[in-house]
Amino acid sequence: DAGITQSPRHKVTETGTPVTLRCHQTENHRYMYWYRQDPGHGLRLIHYSYGVKDTDKGEVSDGYSVSRSKTEDFLLTLESATSSQTSVYFCAISGVGGANNEQFFGPGTRLTVL
Amino acid sequence: GENVEQHPSTLSVQEGDSAVIKCTYSDSASNYFPWYKQELGKRPQLIIDIRSNVGEKKDQRIAVTLNKTAKHFSLHITETQPEDSAVYFCAATNRTNAGKSTFGDGTTLTVKP
Repeated sequence: DAGITQSPRHKVTETGTPVTLRCHQTENHRYMYWYRQDPGHGLRLIHYSYGVKDTDKGEVSDGYSVSRSKTEDFLLTLESATSSQTSVYFCAISGVGGANNEQFFGPGTRLTVL
Repeated sequence: GENVEQHPSTLSVQEGDSAVIKCTYSDSASNYFPWYKQELGKRPQLIIDIRSNVGEKKDQRIAVTLNKTAKHFSLHITETQPEDSAVYFCAATNRTNAGKSTFGDGTTLTVKP
């Protein structure tokens, strides 16, 4: 597996609390992505980053924010968690534009919002 | 934005048979089409991909075909084995737009021994 980790791997929280998920890579890839995976919906893009401090919204960005202060770290924050944000969250990295285009996925974080 | 449709949502085959999964996309700017395999509780992993300037690509028992005119691409698995059982996702990617990918909803493939 590519050098990509996520923390925490599992989290249970209560509605209304803030939550931050961390994605860390050791591949020095420019692009990083946050997805959520729900049954019947595949992988849906939340936010992505194309460089340090450069981020943009994906298709399901409402209720989420991101930050990237270093190449290796991409943080996803749920400002006030809701039950609809219960999901499995995957981070991915890519060196797209060069010889490789594939996205490498982290191990995922299972988030439960009660 | 891009829209990807994937069919079928579930597919059951006998060991040794072939399996075909089909996807359509809507944005002609998409130029890279990967297929991912996800085993239960694991992360998605790339199994094969194809660029828009290629019509077909094969890797042992797995092949992908692309029809740019019709905007559809397909995954073909021959001589299926029980270990091929997993969820398969197609994706349409724009390499010139931060490599953003839109994924299909997935196909659960079951290979019966």
